[in-house]
Amino acid sequence: EDQVTQSPEALRLQEGESSSLNCSYTVSGLRGLFWYRQDPGKGPEFLFTLYSAGEEKEKERLKATLTKKESFLHITAPKPEDSATYLCAVHPFNFGNEKLTFGTGTRLTIIP
Amino acid sequence: DAGVTQSPTHLIKTRGQQVTLRCSPKSGHDTVSWYQQALGQGPQFIFQYYEEEERQRGNFPDRFSGHQFPNYSSELNVNALLLGDSALYLCASRYRDYEQYFGPGTRLTVT
Repeated sequence: EDQVTQSPEALRLQEGESSSLNCSYTVSGLRGLFWYRQDPGKGPEFLFTLYSAGEEKEKERLKATLTKKESFLHITAPKPEDSATYLCAVHPFNFGNEKLTFGTGTRLTIIP
Repeated sequence: DAGVTQSPTHLIKTRGQQVTLRCSPKSGHDTVSWYQQALGQGPQFIFQYYEEEERQRGNFPDRFSGHQFPNYSSELNVNALLLGDSALYLCASRYRDYEQYFGPGTRLTVT
């Protein structure tokens, strides 16, 4: 059974204080790992897809990295508008398995 | 280019009733998945539709059913509603093996 564990559950940072969110996963072969941002009451907004260990992707203040067991979402000099829940999901490599398995998310709050 | 759209935005139903939720995929996308998200949890996969057929189903009872139309839009039907069905229902679309994009969701409240 595919599993995704995100930590911490919640994180409060001062504006400008950099940090990292963790996503640990167990999957029988990884087709892709996804990061989404979700605002309260809204649908998840796609951020990144990572496919293989060692891969990195960046977008504004966010940088996602991938190893064989976990992924990190690094946030540099965050602003209050970066406050949201960040979700990690894995897409396994099994033929015919199309579902994404999500973690429960990290709720990030940036204090001005 | 419109993204994934869902209707209605909010819905309040009574236990035992039936509900239909609708989804229009992002332009160019042919695959639609439905997810249920309870408060404070990650989305849980319900099923996926491709070429008007259910391709895969998650651990949800038969009360949950769906349909995909020739224009790739989709419906999610839930019969005999339970209080535990209260959640945010999300539709996601993609083209082939590319990223899934989610809609804004439908908030269903069962009383």
